[in-house]
Amino acid sequence: DAKTTQPPSMDCAEGRAANLPCNHSTISGNEYVYWYRQIHSQGPQYIIHGLKNNETNEMASLIITEDRKSSTLILPHATLRDTAVYYCLNTGTASKLTFGTGTRLQVTL
Amino acid sequence: GAGVSQSPRYKVAKRGQDVALRCDPISGHVSLFWYQQALGQGPEFLTYFQNEAQLDKSGLPSDRFFAERPEGSVSTLKIQRTQQEDSAVYLCASSRLQGQMEFFGPGTRLTVL
Repeated sequence: DAKTTQPPSMDCAEGRAANLPCNHSTISGNEYVYWYRQIHSQGPQYIIHGLKNNETNEMASLIITEDRKSSTLILPHATLRDTAVYYCLNTGTASKLTFGTGTRLQVTL
Repeated sequence: GAGVSQSPRYKVAKRGQDVALRCDPISGHVSLFWYQQALGQGPEFLTYFQNEAQLDKSGLPSDRFFAERPEGSVSTLKIQRTQQEDSAVYLCASSRLQGQMEFFGPGTRLTVL
């Protein structure tokens, strides 16, 4: 079973920031928080990952709470092409990914 | 190519037929994974290779499912005597080393009639 909890769906207006929450209260000390997204009819795409510090790359920012029990993925300026299912996962060195059902983000005009 | 490729992209099989799905990982990637994704669900892990060694096959749903990666590059997922419940998208992913981010292929959509 997935070890993370995400809202099933969210809407965001184009150009605004999309903030996608994830609860991972059972995360262990050596597990990373990973985010992937899956655009319709494509394979999942890696977005970002972190252990305990906040991370930023060209796609998104990842904010991890100090107790590591939750995180937020931030897409700073959402576009229509960001419409996808976003998955939050915990994984250790074994890297076997356990996906839940994710958050379906709909970006609208 | 630059990414993970899978073939065929679509496969229709009659119940009871055997199928073989191919995955070409990114060149040089040590780790290779197979996942099964049912409609409306997230991908579910099937099996994992490190080079040619199959280190984890705990997710294979039955002994009708078999995966191999004989030379540590291309991998084949074989499903014998297909059943309707095998209908799903089968995703392959590779990573440069164990524990690193995985790059996914586009998947093979299998429909069993």
